[in-house]
Amino acid sequence: EADIYQTPRYLVIGTGKKITLECSQTMGHDKMYWYQQDPGMELHLIHYSYGVNSTEKGDLSSESTVSRIRTEHFPLTLESARPSHTSQYLCASSAHQETQYFGPGTRLLVL
Amino acid sequence: QKEVEQDPGPLSVPEGAIVSLNCTYSNSAFQYFMWYRQYSRKGPELLMYTYSSGNKEDGRFTAQVDKSSKYISLFIRDSQPSDSATYLCAMSLIAANAGGTSYGKLTFGQGTILTVHP
Repeated sequence: EADIYQTPRYLVIGTGKKITLECSQTMGHDKMYWYQQDPGMELHLIHYSYGVNSTEKGDLSSESTVSRIRTEHFPLTLESARPSHTSQYLCASSAHQETQYFGPGTRLLVL
Repeated sequence: QKEVEQDPGPLSVPEGAIVSLNCTYSNSAFQYFMWYRQYSRKGPELLMYTYSSGNKEDGRFTAQVDKSSKYISLFIRDSQPSDSATYLCAMSLIAANAGGTSYGKLTFGQGTILTVHP
């Protein structure tokens, strides 16, 4: 079983608040990813990192930002949450191209 | 047209049935083919991956890839109620960012919702 953790698991917050979703992995993987998944829809890559101090935007445009100061930690921040940000956010990590391991996800509801 | 197409179902079968889940794809550059299982309110869990055409077996699960037809399948034998979940196919290729650094890019299908009833 993969050792990748996300907190909080559920978050209900009001419009305009700043939030940070945490993601940590203990496998020493260089590559980490953030995906967004709406109910019944496929996963969309919003950010990725291939090592410390490297971050890139994914295929799906997102108003969120990420940072990678430590190998094991890849937090995602929304400066001002809006109802359109309501979704499930999944963090993943990988050492190789073919295998990405996912965390349990954070379900975000912005009122 | 989506790069990866997967029938969303839902699919409902009796316990013990053989289940067939399928995906088609259009990008010949895909190199690795994966199946993930996602239980409700959880993250996807990697079930199997393969990179060549043919069959790969792991217990009750068999992954099949046909690169010539751009078609992959997952077969579940002797299905159990605990197999009830959403099954996602995923395919990866080597992509490069603007700076030329390569990374593995996964493209997911929409997922098939499977229910195995006792």
